[in-house]
Amino acid sequence: DTEVTQTPKHLVMGMTNKKSLKCEQHMGHRAMYWYKQKAKKPPELMFVYSYEKLSINESVPSRFSPECPNSSLLNLHLHALQPEDSALYLCASSQDKGWTSGRAKEETQYFGPGTRLLVL
Amino acid sequence: TQLLEQSPQFLSIQEGENLTVYCNSSSVFSSLQWYRQEPGEGPVLLVTVVTGGEVKKLKRLTFQFGDARKDSSLHITAAQPGDTGLYLCAVTYNQGGKLIFGQGTELSVKP
Repeated sequence: DTEVTQTPKHLVMGMTNKKSLKCEQHMGHRAMYWYKQKAKKPPELMFVYSYEKLSINESVPSRFSPECPNSSLLNLHLHALQPEDSALYLCASSQDKGWTSGRAKEETQYFGPGTRLLVL
Repeated sequence: TQLLEQSPQFLSIQEGENLTVYCNSSSVFSSLQWYRQEPGEGPVLLVTVVTGGEVKKLKRLTFQFGDARKDSSLHITAAQPGDTGLYLCAVTYNQGGKLIFGQGTELSVKP
């Protein structure tokens, strides 16, 4: 099973709403990622969790709050978003074997189908 | 400046034509990945190239990693409408498994 699932598939929310995006994988992966992707642009990394701990936050505004309740689940809590936050939000996971002789981890990341978010 | 320069950014061709997408950098990488993304879906890994000069084939797709491991190309032979999508090259950069993507190539193959 090489599947990463994301819910919901589509989400429309107002600027005062609070909502959450969910991501799940059952591949035993210990690294999970959130990306933001605008139309016809490449994904941009937002957060990385490694062994349920936040390891990278790419200076994301605090209106985005990630959470990793366990090794299979990753959430992204949304509050007081702006219209410019409308995008495709992608979750990904990888094995996270750690460092090898000081080299960066180079592992295949498996992406979910994304949540298409529209902020009105 | 972009770590990975991908070209062309847009490509519209007729079914049966051949095409090549390029991914260039001034940095050296130990590996490089190519993804394809269809509308409304997440990127799907096509191939990882790891050895300088390496050539990998996936049906009508041929991937090459430059000898100096600074650049890569994707060649599609006899393109079909099902090849339509966004093609992305990517590398793992620094620590933490951060994946850096090129700008992407939006390919449209018309029947």
